[in-house]
Amino acid sequence: DAKTTQPNSMESNEEEPVHLPCNHSTISGTDYIHWYRQLPSQGPEYVIHGLTSNVNNRMASLAIAEDRKSSTLILHRATLRDAAVYYCIPKSSGDKLTFGTGTRLAVRP
Amino acid sequence: KAGVTQTPRYLIKTRGQQVTLSCSPISGHRSVSWYQQTPGQGLQFLFEYFSETQRNKGNFPGRFSGRQFSNSRSEMNVSTLELGDSALYLCASSLDQVVDSGANVLTFGAGSRLTVL
Repeated sequence: DAKTTQPNSMESNEEEPVHLPCNHSTISGTDYIHWYRQLPSQGPEYVIHGLTSNVNNRMASLAIAEDRKSSTLILHRATLRDAAVYYCIPKSSGDKLTFGTGTRLAVRP
Repeated sequence: KAGVTQTPRYLIKTRGQQVTLSCSPISGHRSVSWYQQTPGQGLQFLFEYFSETQRNKGNFPGRFSGRQFSNSRSEMNVSTLELGDSALYLCASSLDQVVDSGANVLTFGAGSRLTVL
């Protein structure tokens, strides 16, 4: 499994953008980069995933570095509901999803 | 469309007992994965089933077992419960192919919280 490094915690103000970084320098060329989040007292929730190109969906954007050794999850306007633990997970074909410790995001009103 | 349903949501057992947890995946999803979440170890992968066959297995003792039925519903069983088995057990399903490309997305249930006394 590729190793990931994420900040333990981050803070943001409500309605401001949030950039959550992830380093995955040992990622293989075919690993997808997945992001999940876990709100308090809930199961993890899929946010976004990508391989090489930047990706956008209704929840967030994913910016992937050209060398693929890092990526950034972008929440364009943080809301209180976005307070959660965010997990960055490189995933190989046929392999399980391996969760690290993630980044705990706090959103200030 | 209904999400992943796990039952029971909460249960209390005593050491030495066994427990069976159930997971109903999203309709049409053929892959079911199980995870254990504890404050100390975080989210740890238990096993994955696809078309009634175990496809991946985590590093847990043989007391932890699972199975999948022909309708994709899955159960996991923990025998001879220990205090350390107290955890949130999460099930996830995915719309999977025979070979996982790495892009498969998991949908998680709310979990079954097991307390062992």
